[in-house]
Amino acid sequence: AIQMTQSPSSLSASVGDRVTITCRASQGIRNDLGWYQQKPGKAPKLLIYAASSLQSGVPSRFSGSGSGTDFTLTISSLQPEDFATYYCLQDYNYPRTFGQGTKLEIK
Amino acid sequence: QVQLQQSGPGLVKPSQTLSLTCAISGDSVSSNSAAWNWIRQSPSRGLEWLGRTYYRSKWYNDYAVSVKSRITINPDTSKNQFSLQLNSVTPEDTAVYYCAREGYYYDSSGYYQELDYWGQGTLVTVSS
Repeated sequence: AIQMTQSPSSLSASVGDRVTITCRASQGIRNDLGWYQQKPGKAPKLLIYAASSLQSGVPSRFSGSGSGTDFTLTISSLQPEDFATYYCLQDYNYPRTFGQGTKLEIK
Repeated sequence: QVQLQQSGPGLVKPSQTLSLTCAISGDSVSSNSAAWNWIRQSPSRGLEWLGRTYYRSKWYNDYAVSVKSRITINPDTSKNQFSLQLNSVTPEDTAVYYCAREGYYYDSSGYYQELDYWGQGTLVTVSS
């Protein structure tokens, strides 16, 4: 199975900051990667698919990039509602595998 | 708007069978452009994909190797829902279980399959 490694595992930031989260695949996955946001007690929510395409209804401050093995999720200007845990998910093959998550906390 | 509504017991005894159901509205379990997944989440294992069922002229299943000998995911076309059965559970199967739709997304490079709609989650505790 493809292993997905996220960094950092946690991150403290302030409203208005620009933050970047990275995800590395153990083998090349083209751009078959999604990013998800999860808030406590809720299911994950799809933010980005195909590594860089914004899901409908997701604010444009979220962006993704990367291809092959290295990917990034960037939030250009943090808003209070963005403090959550973020996961990457490879959809290159099965079994689907998630990163371990990055918890974004308020500084 | 697709909605997934989960149901099933929150407490299962060790060695017994965990059974959950996911009722679909706004889409069809028999859709040729979707797949129906189960995922679980625990502090020790994180988010873990368990398997899926989908229809492409006939029914198919894919399962995670870690649970392949114990898992069954079945569609129920009469009720437009799908189910998860996990046999011989142990305390390590304690987790929040989610159902999710895998939908197709297209761009200039091709198509992608993403988990775009999720159920509300069910905490299942395995304990005597």
